[in-house]
Amino acid sequence: DAKTTQPTSMDCAEGRAANLPCNHSTISGNEYVYWYRQIHSQGPQYIIHGLKNNETNEMASLIITEDRKSSTLILPHATLRDTAVYYCIVRAPNYGGSQGNLIFGKGTKLSVKP
Amino acid sequence: NAGVTQTPKFQVLKTGQSMTLQCAQDMNHEYMSWYRQDPGMGLRLIHYSVGAGITDQGEVPNGYNVSRSTTEDFPLRLLSAAPSQTSVYFCASQRGQGAYEQYFGPGTRLTVT
Repeated sequence: DAKTTQPTSMDCAEGRAANLPCNHSTISGNEYVYWYRQIHSQGPQYIIHGLKNNETNEMASLIITEDRKSSTLILPHATLRDTAVYYCIVRAPNYGGSQGNLIFGKGTKLSVKP
Repeated sequence: NAGVTQTPKFQVLKTGQSMTLQCAQDMNHEYMSWYRQDPGMGLRLIHYSVGAGITDQGEVPNGYNVSRSTTEDFPLRLLSAAPSQTSVYFCASQRGQGAYEQYFGPGTRLTVT
């Protein structure tokens, strides 16, 4: 089972910030939080990852709470092309066997509306 | 770089037929994996490989075989197709087991009648 809980769907107005929450209350100390997205019918795309500190890249920002039990992915100025399913995943970075594989839940379907 | 490529994009099989889904990457990544995605579901891991000559089972391996004779290629074989294998199949690669980012191919949509 996925270690994360996400809302099934969210709407966002074009040009506004999209804030996607994720609950990972059982996260271990060495596990990172990863975000991927899947635009309709395409393969998933990596967005960002983090351990403790907030992270930002050209696509998004990741805010992780101090207790690391939840996080929020922020798309600062959502466009119609950001409409996708967003997956929040936790995983340890160094591992053997299948532990390092990504475990995808059902994600959050984000709909950006004009 | 072409990244991760998959062929074919679409395939229809009859029950009992066999086929191979092709996956190749040109990034010299050690780690490759196969996922399937059923409607309304997340991706589920079928098989993975940590390097040439090494493969292992994922969450849903039954009915599928893999091999990894080269770093670049990781084909997925369906020995005797069943309707339950109707799905979209994604291949992915990453630089190594500890790498942060997985790169996914465009997918193969398989229908078994």
